[in-house]
Amino acid sequence: EPEVTQTPSHQVTQMGQEVILRCVPISNHLYFYWYRQILGQKVEFLVSFYNNEISEKSEIFDDQFSVERPDGSNFTLKIRSTKLEDSAMYFCASTPGPSGTGELFFGEGSRLTVL
Amino acid sequence: GQQVMQIPQYQHVQEGEDFTTYCNSSTTLSNIQWYKQRPGGHPVFLIQLVKSGEVKKQKRLTFQFGEAKKNSSLHITATQTTDVGTYFCINFNKFYFGSGTKLNVKP
Repeated sequence: EPEVTQTPSHQVTQMGQEVILRCVPISNHLYFYWYRQILGQKVEFLVSFYNNEISEKSEIFDDQFSVERPDGSNFTLKIRSTKLEDSAMYFCASTPGPSGTGELFFGEGSRLTVL
Repeated sequence: GQQVMQIPQYQHVQEGEDFTTYCNSSTTLSNIQWYKQRPGGHPVFLIQLVKSGEVKKQKRLTFQFGEAKKNSSLHITATQTTDVGTYFCINFNKFYFGSGTKLNVKP
């Protein structure tokens, strides 16, 4: 069964450092998403991406965040200067069609710990 | 963003008891999806509801979409320990997850 894969599974970084989280969406999917979940809290939407550009983003997705699809398979989330409060699980998700037309397929997540 | 509120936040039940979680919105929802997240896992899709008053069943799980499309519920009959996890509703058109209901089932 096709799945969304994410790397790394866990990253520990120092405050102020840049972090890149990587995702490989399901191959025939066209819409990609990043969510984050602070431990014990709800899943928060960060950004959606389609046709090589951001289609929607939340208030959380400020200037320190960026997303990119550098090639035909990877979808990355970059955090430029990490803060302690960026510590969370980051989930990538993909869908074959636009929002509301089907389920979100989530990866296993990348746990980011900022010290 | 559009907020969907879920209640209760936590529910502890004895195995075999029923469980219900509710999702409420102040505005009309075009559709609603339900996801389950096991402890330490990622959200997994359960169902999507689109029509007013829609009811769908998956074995012991019953999902309802309100007539006004402002609320939804998930009911689990005779809970099992495998039902443990957090259940989220999401108005997918707006990408925003509800706050979730964490279910704990005591054997």
